[in-house]
Amino acid sequence: EVQLVQSGAEVKKPGESLKISCKGSGYRFSSYWIGWVRQMPGKGLESIGIIYPYDSDTRYSPSFQGPVTISADKSISTAYLQWSSLKASDTAIYYCARRDCGGDCRGGFDNWGQGTMVTVSS
Amino acid sequence: DIQMTQSPSSLSASVGDRVTITCRASQTISIFLSWFQQKPGKAPNLLIYAASSLESGVPSRFSGSGSGTDFTLTISNLQPEDFATYYCQQSYSSSLTFGGGTRVEIK
Repeated sequence: EVQLVQSGAEVKKPGESLKISCKGSGYRFSSYWIGWVRQMPGKGLESIGIIYPYDSDTRYSPSFQGPVTISADKSISTAYLQWSSLKASDTAIYYCARRDCGGDCRGGFDNWGQGTMVTVSS
Repeated sequence: DIQMTQSPSSLSASVGDRVTITCRASQTISIFLSWFQQKPGKAPNLLIYAASSLESGVPSRFSGSGSGTDFTLTISNLQPEDFATYYCQQSYSSSLTFGGGTRVEIK
């Protein structure tokens, strides 16, 4: 069974750094793209970007506003989303999701993590 | 960047109704379109992929159609558990953009 398990909720102050994680199991982690999606309170889904753990090829969504870094460590089947300096507007639920293909492909997301709530407040 | 426009943004319906949600892409995306259902406090759940293929375990009252720029999600015989928010997503480009969502509420 494919599973994506995300790290727990975080409460941070503006200006602090943060790295959240998404661990995959039940499949060959390095062979499928992993994406990150933001959902601000009461709002819709926004794609942040995707990473291919096999070679760390990373693509950021042009429409996503906000400096974040996506990375992955295929040796421990884990993807990451990190901020160097958080803002209050980064408050949201962040989901990771597996793309149903690898390499040069056009599949969508088929499995999702449970979400990580990030709260940024002074 | 490919923009996805979903309509309506919300609708009210009764149990047993047939519901149709549309999604339009700003450029052709062939059949690279998925539909998701999201309930409050939960992660999205895949319903339809490749525009019209039903994900395993999803009830057959859900169906998808379309290609190019115009797509439709239909829920026939709406059930109480179907009241939720629905999103389309294009996967033609690596930006993987979502539509704005359609909230299906009880009339």
